[in-house]
Amino acid sequence: KAGVTQTPRYLIKTRGQQVTLSCSPISGHRSVSWYQQTPGQGLQFLFEYFSETQRNKGNFPGRFSGRQFSNSRSEMNVSTLELGDSALYLCASSLAQGNTDTQYFGPGTRLTVL
Amino acid sequence: QKEVEQDPGPLSVPEGAIVSLNCTYSNSAFQYFMWYRQYSRKGPELLMYTYSSGNKEDGRFTAQVDKSSKYISLFIRDSQPSDSATYLCAPTGSNTGKLIFGQGTTLQVKP
Repeated sequence: KAGVTQTPRYLIKTRGQQVTLSCSPISGHRSVSWYQQTPGQGLQFLFEYFSETQRNKGNFPGRFSGRQFSNSRSEMNVSTLELGDSALYLCASSLAQGNTDTQYFGPGTRLTVL
Repeated sequence: QKEVEQDPGPLSVPEGAIVSLNCTYSNSAFQYFMWYRQYSRKGPELLMYTYSSGNKEDGRFTAQVDKSSKYISLFIRDSQPSDSATYLCAPTGSNTGKLIFGQGTTLQVKP
C-alpha cells in the first residue's frame, strides 16, 4: 500500500509570493491534517480536513489556507510569503476524523522563502 | 508555558545503553499519549501509543505515562545506532485530529 505522498518535496520562493502544496493520503484514508515544522517552534498543527470540510484549525494567520477534494487529496496554500514561513510542511492522513492514533505522515515539503 | 515540554537534547549514548526520553504536559484533559520517531529528511512515524496511565512495552521500547504528575517517558533498551533519530512526544485530547507535539529530543547512538 502506498504511503502518504507530498509534492513538491522542495520549493524555493521569494517574499510576497504564494505557494500551493499538495498531499495525497493513503488509499481509503479520508482525513488529512497539515503541520508546520521549524527548528524554533517544532511541529505545529495547521488544520484538519475530513469530507472536504475543515474540522479543526490551529493558531496560524489567515494567509494559511487549505482544501480537500472529493478524492481526499488535499492542498494547502500560503499567500504573501514571509521569511518565517520557511519550514517543513507535513501532511498526515488517517482513516477517519479525529483518529489521533493512526495518523501516517508523508515525507514533507521543504519550503524556503528568500 | 507550552502545553508540552520536551528537552531537545541532543542526547548521545553508546550502543547498548538504556535511553530515557521524557516529556511533561500541562493539559489534564490529555488522554492519548504517542511517541513518534523522525529520521533525518523523513516524516514522523508512530512508535508507541498509550491510552491513559500505565506502561506499554513493545520489544526494546517501553512507554510510561503518569497522569498524576503529567509526565510521560519512553525507554529504549539495548539501544542501536539505527535508533539515532529525533523522538517526539505527543500527548493529545480525545477524538481530535490535532496532535500536539513536544519539541523533540535528538538521540545519537554511537557504535
